Amino acid sequence: SQTIHQWPATLVQPVGSPLSLECTVEGTSNPNLYWYRQAAGRGLQLLFYSVGIGQISSEVPQNLSASRPQDRQFILSSKKLLLSDSGFYLCAWTQGRGQPQHFGDGTRLSIL
Amino acid sequence: AQSVTQLDSQVPVFEEAPVELRCNYSSSVSVYLFWYVQYPNQGLQLLLKYLSGSTLVKGINGFEAEFNKSQTSFHLRKPSVHISDTAEYFCAVSEYGGSNYKLTFGKGTLLTVNP
Repeated sequence: SQTIHQWPATLVQPVGSPLSLECTVEGTSNPNLYWYRQAAGRGLQLLFYSVGIGQISSEVPQNLSASRPQDRQFILSSKKLLLSDSGFYLCAWTQGRGQPQHFGDGTRLSIL
Repeated sequence: AQSVTQLDSQVPVFEEAPVELRCNYSSSVSVYLFWYVQYPNQGLQLLLKYLSGSTLVKGINGFEAEFNKSQTSFHLRKPSVHISDTAEYFCAVSEYGGSNYKLTFGKGTLLTVNP
């Protein structure tokens, strides 16, 4: 069966520090991959999605970037974190159009 | 472009009462529809999905939803809720065809089940 792993579960970082969040999927090949951010009391904001290795679509101009170095690996990065980058970050995958997305357990990011 | 409206941001109910969480969508083409549940500090878990066929869809944890094309709605129901159903619920839509690989989510409904 397919599983999605996301780490770390929680992260506390100072303003201006770099960021790297990793997400990997097992048990499937060529998945579509997604990064979302969920601010407190708000819905999900799609940040990036990828339909293949090296293919990244950005939804919101911001301080973050994403990369997909391998088929089942999706990385969210920042060179310098801002206070506004705080939130709950979720990775998800789907096998294709019309199929439901499956989510990781999320990373709670706090910026001090 | 597709959009999703969850009409209630919060729904408080008593244990063993029935509940309906409302979801309306807007799209110019046919859609796939989903309901997700999110417990505190966790990811989203798929409750149920409508892809085609019967308009009444049954999901996990005793939930069901009915797709109404004329009213562009996909309301979630449960005949008798438990304390453990307290969570946030999200409705989502994805359009048929084209190059759209995205889900559009509603803003969520917080269901609070009280004893």
